[in-house]
Amino acid sequence: DTAVSQTPKYLVTQMGNDKSIKCEQNLGHDTMYWYKQDSKKFLKIMFSYNNKELIINETVPNRFSPKSPDKAHLNLHINSLELGDSAVYFCASSHDGGRNYGYTFGSGTRLTVV
Amino acid sequence: GQQLNQSPQSMFIQEGEDVSMNCTSSSIFNTWLWYKQEPGEGPVLLIALYKAGELTSNGRLTAQFGITRKDSFLNISASIPSDVGIYFCAGPRIQGAQKLVFGQGTRLTINP
Repeated sequence: DTAVSQTPKYLVTQMGNDKSIKCEQNLGHDTMYWYKQDSKKFLKIMFSYNNKELIINETVPNRFSPKSPDKAHLNLHINSLELGDSAVYFCASSHDGGRNYGYTFGSGTRLTVV
Repeated sequence: GQQLNQSPQSMFIQEGEDVSMNCTSSSIFNTWLWYKQEPGEGPVLLIALYKAGELTSNGRLTAQFGITRKDSFLNISASIPSDVGIYFCAGPRIQGAQKLVFGQGTRLTINP
């Protein structure tokens, strides 16, 4: 029944590794997002996809590569992980770009790079 | 830019007290949203406001869309322990591709 589900919930990895986070939504929404929440709890958008098409890329390093195989899935792959990548990453989805209904968020993936 | 400034950054109150927080911007927003985030979870939408001057309630929560469209307020009446969390205001960027920008959050702590 989970509307927006992310896996894994926790991810601890060493610097330099490559890792992926997966997201799926069963709400029938047409737009999906990745947000990063830093240690001060500030939420900042990273990417947005509408019907599998990338529409927002907020000057995120090239090491981050989102992929949307279909409009219900949005994955995030991170290459050569750095200490500063440690954060909580949230996937979200919305209908019609969230103009009227806001976003539905997943429960987050806490990434710790050591 | 379309940054949202929330205040206060944190609040420590006694159970039963009323809570007020606000969000301001230098730019106009056509929609204001209030979210709550609990530990280990993602933000959850509490209230959405679509019209300047609008006052909307959700249980003990009441939010208002400021007349200038540059601010919004959230009030919680008779707080209870489960109100603990971080409250975020948010609004959609008007120009370019649609995205939601968030305030820095107000962390609410309640002493029983």
